Amino acid sequence: AQSVTQPDIHITVSEGASLELRCNYSYGATPYLFWYVQSPGQGLQLLLKYFSGDTLVQGIKGFEAEFKRSQSSFNLRKPSVHWSDAAEYFCAVGAPQGGGNKLTFGTGTQLKVEL
Amino acid sequence: KAGVTQTPRYLIKTRGQQVTLSCSPISGHRSVSWYQQTPGQGLQFLFEYFSETQRNKGNFPGRFSGRQFSNSRSEMNVSTLELGDSALYLCASSLSVSGRLGEQYFGPGTRLTVT
Repeated sequence: AQSVTQPDIHITVSEGASLELRCNYSYGATPYLFWYVQSPGQGLQLLLKYFSGDTLVQGIKGFEAEFKRSQSSFNLRKPSVHWSDAAEYFCAVGAPQGGGNKLTFGTGTQLKVEL
Repeated sequence: KAGVTQTPRYLIKTRGQQVTLSCSPISGHRSVSWYQQTPGQGLQFLFEYFSETQRNKGNFPGRFSGRQFSNSRSEMNVSTLELGDSALYLCASSLSVSGRLGEQYFGPGTRLTVT
């Protein structure tokens, strides 16, 4: 069975500071990995995804993530956080083949940005 | 291109009643997945429909059911509502075919409150 762990429930950073949100997954092979963001009362917006190839992936809004197979991690980073980045962030994992479009999500990390 | 739409956005029902939620995917997308989001359990996969057939099912009781129409629009139904069914129900659509996991685009959700 696949699973995702987001160890940080809440993170507070100052505007302009760098950000790293942690994500660890459990899966028997190389999964497909995603990061989504959710603003209050909204659905989920896809930030970036890893399917294969280059382990450093770029996404929207200046976010990037690095897939590290040896650590079973897919951490999300941003060099300089903006106040509008305050939201909840979810890491998700899915089976590349045979599992359809089922995603397993982590419990989320709530990001607060201090001005 | 219009995004995923869900109706209604908000719903209040009484225990024991049933409810039907609707999801219209992005034009051309044939896969529709449903997720339940609660503070206690997080985001959990309910089921996925592809070409009018249920392709995947999560670990939910039989009170939760769904269907998909020939135009790819999907409905989910919850019968005999319980207080614990109060949640944000999210629908996601994907262009993926042949069983491979694809990018999923989420709607804004339907907030269901059971009293």
